[in-house]
Amino acid sequence: KAGVTQTPRYLIKTRGQQVTLSCSPISGHRSVSWYQQTPGQGLQFLFEYFSETQRNKGNFPGRFSGRQFSNSRSEMNVSTLELGDSALYLCASTSSGGAYEQYFGPGTRLTVT
Amino acid sequence: GENVEQHPSTLSVQEGDSAVIKCTYSDSASNYFPWYKQELGKRPQLIIDIRSNVGEKKDQRIAVTLNKTAKHFSLHITETQPEDSAVYFCAASYQAGTALIFGKGTTLSVSS
Repeated sequence: KAGVTQTPRYLIKTRGQQVTLSCSPISGHRSVSWYQQTPGQGLQFLFEYFSETQRNKGNFPGRFSGRQFSNSRSEMNVSTLELGDSALYLCASTSSGGAYEQYFGPGTRLTVT
Repeated sequence: GENVEQHPSTLSVQEGDSAVIKCTYSDSASNYFPWYKQELGKRPQLIIDIRSNVGEKKDQRIAVTLNKTAKHFSLHITETQPEDSAVYFCAASYQAGTALIFGKGTTLSVSS
């Protein structure tokens, strides 16, 4: 099976702009979670989607949003970008059938200038 | 909400030694505890996990122990090798497959 894929891999944006990141889970996985990774804060949970519904949300401002499509692909959007949003954004898809391990994609490196 | 503390933040060992990384969690409802290894520039990779109905789990040179009463769990790596050098993250979740709350990570360096 192909692994979790994320596009784009690198992105440079200016403060105030918005950005959309995409994640395609492993085939058959219906849950997708998003995480932000920074040197200072480490890995922080953003939100989780299952069957097109947001099931959990982390402690991030409303500028961070996401959605999931019927094919389980997911997107996250960050509006009104701030310098502090510069980070590696990772998505993870969750296996089913009782195992429930989360497998990470390669991430999207977002730089806000 | 859940909070996960991880110690130490850095760990240096000689090849062949054992390494132990410890984590504590705050939410007694947490019942799933995975460990991830992240090499420089790469994605986090799941190396082992444990559920709250199990006290210990082993996979070759890696083992994880869980003490639910004390709310702490540990990663044990035996016979360390230079390729074990990486950042290791522990995490906790109240339900396997949902929101993972991560520790701050431990940078393990194995010198030959």
